[in-house]
Amino acid sequence: EDKVVQSPLSLVVHEGDTVTLNCSYEVTNFRSLLWYKQEKKAPTFLFMLTSSGIEKKSGRLSSILDKKELSSILNITATQTGDSAIYLCAPPMHGAGSYQLTFGKGTKLSVIP
Amino acid sequence: GAGVSQSPSNKVTEKGKDVELRCDPISGHTALYWYRQSLGQGLEFLIYFQGNSAPDKSGLPSDRFSAERTGGSVSTLTIQRTQQEDSAVYLCASTVGPNSYEQYFGPGTRLTVT
Repeated sequence: EDKVVQSPLSLVVHEGDTVTLNCSYEVTNFRSLLWYKQEKKAPTFLFMLTSSGIEKKSGRLSSILDKKELSSILNITATQTGDSAIYLCAPPMHGAGSYQLTFGKGTKLSVIP
Repeated sequence: GAGVSQSPSNKVTEKGKDVELRCDPISGHTALYWYRQSLGQGLEFLIYFQGNSAPDKSGLPSDRFSAERTGGSVSTLTIQRTQQEDSAVYLCASTVGPNSYEQYFGPGTRLTVT
């Protein structure tokens, strides 16, 4: 059965700290892994990772995939209160013609001033 | 351009009533997904539409749930005889095409069944 596990489940840090969020997956026919940020209801797209060892960066956020370890990390440097959210990772799973996302439960990040 | 839109944003209904939730995908996106997020749970896939192909209904939890997509654009998710366990946030996402993994989500509909 396909499975996605994220850790930690929740994290509280102070502004300016650096955090690392983890995602491990067991997915047949792995193709890619996506990271999303969910602040209220709608997850917003952050990164899509397809190749192992190639870091993707957007401002203070970066992410990398390790296909050998079946895992990915999301780093956030110099955290701000606006980074407080649930961070979700999701590999697409090929269904009956679809690529439905299989989400982990997420990591709830709280950044306090 | 406009993103995915959903309506209503919140819906409170009595147990046993039927509800309809609407999703309007990004213009030009041919693939559309519905997901559900129950309290304390991850997002779970419900149904997928791509063009005129038969939908992938493998995630629908019961036959009380159905969805349609008219004209390849707007989609409606219908829940008949709602139960309290149907209370959740219902999210819709669209992608450019069937082989695109990047899904863009709408703001969701929070359904509360009393």
